[in-house]
Amino acid sequence: EPEVTQTPSHQVTQMGQEVILRCVPISNHLYFYWYRQILGQKVEFLVSFYNNEISEKSEIFDDQFSVERPDGSNFTLKIRSTKLEDSAMYFCASSRLRTDTQYFGPGTRLTVL
Amino acid sequence: AQKITQTQPGMFVQEKEAVTLDCTYDTSDQSYGLFWYKQPSSGEMIFLIYQGSYDEQNATEGRYSLNFQKARKSANLVISASQLGDSAMYFCAMRPVPLNTGTASKLTFGTGTRLQVTL
Repeated sequence: EPEVTQTPSHQVTQMGQEVILRCVPISNHLYFYWYRQILGQKVEFLVSFYNNEISEKSEIFDDQFSVERPDGSNFTLKIRSTKLEDSAMYFCASSRLRTDTQYFGPGTRLTVL
Repeated sequence: AQKITQTQPGMFVQEKEAVTLDCTYDTSDQSYGLFWYKQPSSGEMIFLIYQGSYDEQNATEGRYSLNFQKARKSANLVISASQLGDSAMYFCAMRPVPLNTGTASKLTFGTGTRLQVTL
């Protein structure tokens, strides 16, 4: 059964460093998403992506964040200068159509020291 | 704006019993979808069940069923015959059906209910 994959599973970085979180969505999916979950809190939407451009972004997704689909399979989230409050689990999700179920990857746990 | 409310931070259920996890929602959208996801301690988000706002019948997926009451704006998850492996965090979520076909549709999540299945 196809699934969304994410790498790395855990990333530790120093405050102010850049990180890139990688995702491989399900191959025939067209809509891609990033969500985050601060420890013990609910899952929050960051950004959605369709047809090689951002479809919607939340207030959290400020200029420090960017997304890219560099090739036909990968979908990345870059945080340019990490802050302590960026520590969270980051989930990538994808759906085949805009109204379809979103399937989540296993997440990347980002720890900013 | 959409809002999901899960009022039960934690629930206990005995193995083999049924349990209902509550979810109420608020939206001005006419068309929307409701979802339940399971998050075990390992952290991944596992899709369980979906209900469309225009679906007349309640959704079922194996031991999971969704008790959808549109007038009450509730979408409770019922797990029958609970198993130890059902112990996890459960999130209710919703998303609108956007009018623009090119617009991706974000999920709004509730705060979750932690279910503990006991022997």
